[in-house]
Amino acid sequence: RKEVEQDPGPFNVPEGATVAFNCTYSNSASQSFFWYRQDCRKEPKLLMSVYSSGNEDGRFTAQLNRASQYISLLIRDSKLSDSATYLCVVIWLNTGFQKLVFGTGTRLLVSP
Amino acid sequence: EAGVAQSPRYKIIEKRQSVAFWCNPISGHATLYWYQQILGQGPKLLIQFQNNGVVDDSQLPKDRFSAERLKGVDSTLKIQPAKLEDSAVYLCASSSRQGAAGVSPLHFGNGTRLTVT
Repeated sequence: RKEVEQDPGPFNVPEGATVAFNCTYSNSASQSFFWYRQDCRKEPKLLMSVYSSGNEDGRFTAQLNRASQYISLLIRDSKLSDSATYLCVVIWLNTGFQKLVFGTGTRLLVSP
Repeated sequence: EAGVAQSPRYKIIEKRQSVAFWCNPISGHATLYWYQQILGQGPKLLIQFQNNGVVDDSQLPKDRFSAERLKGVDSTLKIQPAKLEDSAVYLCASSSRQGAAGVSPLHFGNGTRLTVT
């Protein structure tokens, strides 16, 4: 089993739709989680951190389910500009330092 | 605040040649990472520095890749000799904190797109 897994997609949705992605992780001792957004031929950029109680930033909601070992990202009222690849990052302690592992990313295509 | 600087942006070399990439992290960031991102995949960690010490290089192909971070600031990543499968984007990232206090988010540079022919 991969350490961090994502459905590569693509997810094709119309403008205004609500879409959700999951990211599963194998290490139950994982401590921190982030969602990054990566546009084509660009570097990843931080979208939001994921807090244990869940958190919202405008149209974006991130949640953590420790029991089932996954995090999710919900995008409401999708915009054309949301088209990108969404990468999850999972962090756990590994022999004295934190190890960060990226998922392969989920590609989102929002169409008019 | 200036971001993470990387150079060059693009590099085309023939297999068996050597290449070097340079990274200047955000000022004051103690942790520096080099990632390899092959098209269609997520970034894969090659090496992680804490100040000028290596904390994780378990996925670095040490027979051909090397990296250093002298003085705990700038870093260089070298490939010698390059193979076709090294064609990828090489991303440098830095973060301000890693340890018992938790991990701060990574800030990435623009990356170096390497093509090996």
